[in-house]
Amino acid sequence: EDQVTQSPEALRLQEGESSSLNCSYTVSGLRGLFWYRQDPGKGPEFLFTLYSAGEEKEKERLKATLTKKESFLHITAPKPEDSATYLCAVQALGTYKYIFGTGTRLKVLA
Amino acid sequence: GAGVSQSPSNKVTEKGKDVELRCDPISGHTALYWYRQSLGQGLEFLIYFQGNSAPDKSGLPSDRFSAERTGGSVSTLTIQRTQQEDSAVYLCASSPGQGGSAFFGQGTRLTVV
Repeated sequence: EDQVTQSPEALRLQEGESSSLNCSYTVSGLRGLFWYRQDPGKGPEFLFTLYSAGEEKEKERLKATLTKKESFLHITAPKPEDSATYLCAVQALGTYKYIFGTGTRLKVLA
Repeated sequence: GAGVSQSPSNKVTEKGKDVELRCDPISGHTALYWYRQSLGQGLEFLIYFQGNSAPDKSGLPSDRFSAERTGGSVSTLTIQRTQQEDSAVYLCASSPGQGGSAFFGQGTRLTVV
């Protein structure tokens, strides 16, 4: 069964304290892996798509990487405005639905 | 429009009533998805449209739930005889084609009292 597990469930960082969020996945074949940011009361906001192992994408303080079993979202020198829930999703070959993890709630303290 | 638009943003309904939730996808996007997000839970897949067809309805929780899409654009999710467990945020997303990145609307918060 296709599955996505995110860790940790929650993370508190001081402003400027870099860290990484993990997304482990099990799929029969990967079509794509997606990272989203979700603020309270809002819909998920698209961040990155990764398609193959070794691929990396960057945007401001965020960098996403992909291996054959997991993806990391690295946050460098975070700011309080980076506080949100970060969601990981996969799309498996042979299907077009996105399977989501339960997310990591990130809180960055000033 | 610039993004995925959902209406209403909030809906309170009495148990047993029917509700309709609307989604306007990004113009030109052929794929459309409905998801449900309960408090503190992950996103639960409901249904996927490609054009006006729904090749994957596997996530619809019961026959009280149905959805349609017309003109390859607007979609409506209908919940009949609502129950309290239907209370959740219903999210719609669209993508340019099969596969690739999906873009979400702000959701409809449904409360069944």
